[in-house]
Amino acid sequence: GAGVSQSPSNKVTEKGKDVELRCDPISGHTALYWYRQSLGQGLEFLIYFQGNSAPDKSGLPSDRFSAERTGGSVSTLTIQRTQQEDSAVYLCASSVREPIYGYTFGSGTRLTVV
Amino acid sequence: RKEVEQDPGPFNVPEGATVAFNCTYSNSASQSFFWYRQDCRKEPKLLMSVYSSGNEDGRFTAQLNRASQYISLLIRDSKLSDSATYLCVVNLLGGSARQLTFGSGTQLTVLP
Repeated sequence: GAGVSQSPSNKVTEKGKDVELRCDPISGHTALYWYRQSLGQGLEFLIYFQGNSAPDKSGLPSDRFSAERTGGSVSTLTIQRTQQEDSAVYLCASSVREPIYGYTFGSGTRLTVV
Repeated sequence: RKEVEQDPGPFNVPEGATVAFNCTYSNSASQSFFWYRQDCRKEPKLLMSVYSSGNEDGRFTAQLNRASQYISLLIRDSKLSDSATYLCVVNLLGGSARQLTFGSGTQLTVLP
């Protein structure tokens, strides 16, 4: 597609439920990133995928968070046993290889845990 | 100390004013620098890269001072449509860059 596509755009879930967020990067972009942004806060790095290399998971806040990227394209971020503090906008970005030219972001998934 | 630090503002300026934003970063080995713009409830969008010699794009001028680990963004003749949050973004890991680190942003409102 022309841009980074994320789904769903909004998700409301009950505390304790699992959620899956999807990201479809720009075709040909080998690098894919997940960030989250809480209300009024800056972007917090979560995880980075580059080609077939092992992902950089250093930003994942707890073991309830995991992500995978299948076939070097679509990525899924999974949050297990959601907590209220997980409420945020989850942003996916992709870049050609390394971000020397910056990233292109998707429009995000707004997650609300009630 | 935050890795990328910005004055949060808000900056409220009249149309036509010139406004400048500053940003400092912690890692002297950083190589890539950007300004992003984020409108309310939207994703960040790349405004411009920042080059060592400084660069200009229309009404926008970006400067880099490596010695002071400092980046600036100057907006001339500000428009109502410039109202947004401006994010300073740095590759803190340097070299071949694995990820970018975002400042918390500076909020700008241009008033009619």
